[in-house]
Amino acid sequence: AQSVTQPDIHITVSEGASLELRCNYSYGATPYLFWYVQSPGQGLQLLLKYFSGDTLVQGIKGFEAEFKRSQSSFNLRKPSVHWSDAAEYFCAVGVTGTYKYIFGTGTRLKVLA
Amino acid sequence: EAGVAQSPRYKIIEKRQSVAFWCNPISGHATLYWYQQILGQGPKLLIQFQNNGVVDDSQLPKDRFSAERLKGVDSTLKIQPAKLEDSAVYLCASSLDAGLNTEAFFGQGTRLTVV
Repeated sequence: AQSVTQPDIHITVSEGASLELRCNYSYGATPYLFWYVQSPGQGLQLLLKYFSGDTLVQGIKGFEAEFKRSQSSFNLRKPSVHWSDAAEYFCAVGVTGTYKYIFGTGTRLKVLA
Repeated sequence: EAGVAQSPRYKIIEKRQSVAFWCNPISGHATLYWYQQILGQGPKLLIQFQNNGVVDDSQLPKDRFSAERLKGVDSTLKIQPAKLEDSAVYLCASSLDAGLNTEAFFGQGTRLTVV
């Protein structure tokens, strides 16, 4: 069965530091991969997505993610974190042949001033 | 462009009571989703509509949950009777069309507490 694992429940970084959030998926075929951000009291906002092609994808707010098939990973990165990036981040995989997304359990990011 | 609207934002009910949530998707969006997000978990799809037809309701607990999308626009999700484990945030999302390459836009959600 398809699944998404986000091994880090909480991550704390200092403002200006680099960030990497991990995501591993289990899926037989080439997956559709997504990263969403959820600020407190808000709905989810799409940061970026990968369907095919270049394995390094750029998203909004200065985020990028790299698809590594050999590691079944789709980690999210940002070179310099801003205090406004504090939120919860969800990785998701789209199940081809359906219209269903499977979300990970999320990583809550705290940014220290 | 107006986003996905949901109401109410918060609801507290006692177990065995009924509750209904309302969602107004972005104008022109054919696909509408209801997700359940339990604290500490990622969102889980409950039901997906394409216009006013159901595409997927495989994870909807049909003995107590129901949803409809009359006229292919607004949607309501109902729980009757509610259980303690239904405490969660219920997110509505919409997209122009079905398909994994079509971005889904999410509302702010309705936080349900069952006591």
